[in-house]
Amino acid sequence: KQEVTQIPAALSVPEGENLVLNCSFTDSAIYNLQWFRQDPGKGLTSLLLIQSSQREQTSGRLNASLDKSSGRSTLYIAASQPGDSATYLCAVEGQNFVFGPGTRLSVLP
Amino acid sequence: KAGVTQTPRYLIKTRGQQVTLSCSPISGHRSVSWYQQTPGQGLQFLFEYFSETQRNKGNFPGRFSGRQFSNSRSEMNVSTLELGDSALYLCASSPGTGIFSPLHFGNGTRLTVT
Repeated sequence: KQEVTQIPAALSVPEGENLVLNCSFTDSAIYNLQWFRQDPGKGLTSLLLIQSSQREQTSGRLNASLDKSSGRSTLYIAASQPGDSATYLCAVEGQNFVFGPGTRLSVLP
Repeated sequence: KAGVTQTPRYLIKTRGQQVTLSCSPISGHRSVSWYQQTPGQGLQFLFEYFSETQRNKGNFPGRFSGRQFSNSRSEMNVSTLELGDSALYLCASSPGTGIFSPLHFGNGTRLTVT
């Protein structure tokens, strides 16, 4: 059974810092991995999708990497802004999607 | 392009009642999946429909059921509601098989069972 964990559970940083969020999964037989952000009381917004054959994806200030063999992915956020404050979830797709518990990020002005 | 639409946004029901939630996917998307989100259990997969057929099912009791119509709209039904069913129910759509296809989520239906 696939299990997904995320570290840290919560993070508070001053504006402008670069930061890394971590995602680990137990079964490397995945099709892809996605990173999402969720604002309070809202649905999830897809940020990046990494196919199992890829090593990384970039979108603006976001960069996500995938090491399938070790069951790890990282989301790198450059020059953080208060608008980045949200909960970030990773999800792996095998037979179905399994989500991590999320990292709650607060970026202080 | 309109996003994923879920109705209603909020719902209050009494224990023992049943409820039906609705999801309209992005136009052209044929896959619809449902998730339950609670503070204690996080986001958990309920089931996925593709072209009116249930393709995958999560580990939830039979009180949770769903269906998909020919226009890809989907409904989820929960019978004999329990207090523990209080949650944010999220629907997501994707173009096809789901492989290499990002999920697009609606804003969810907040169900409160009293």
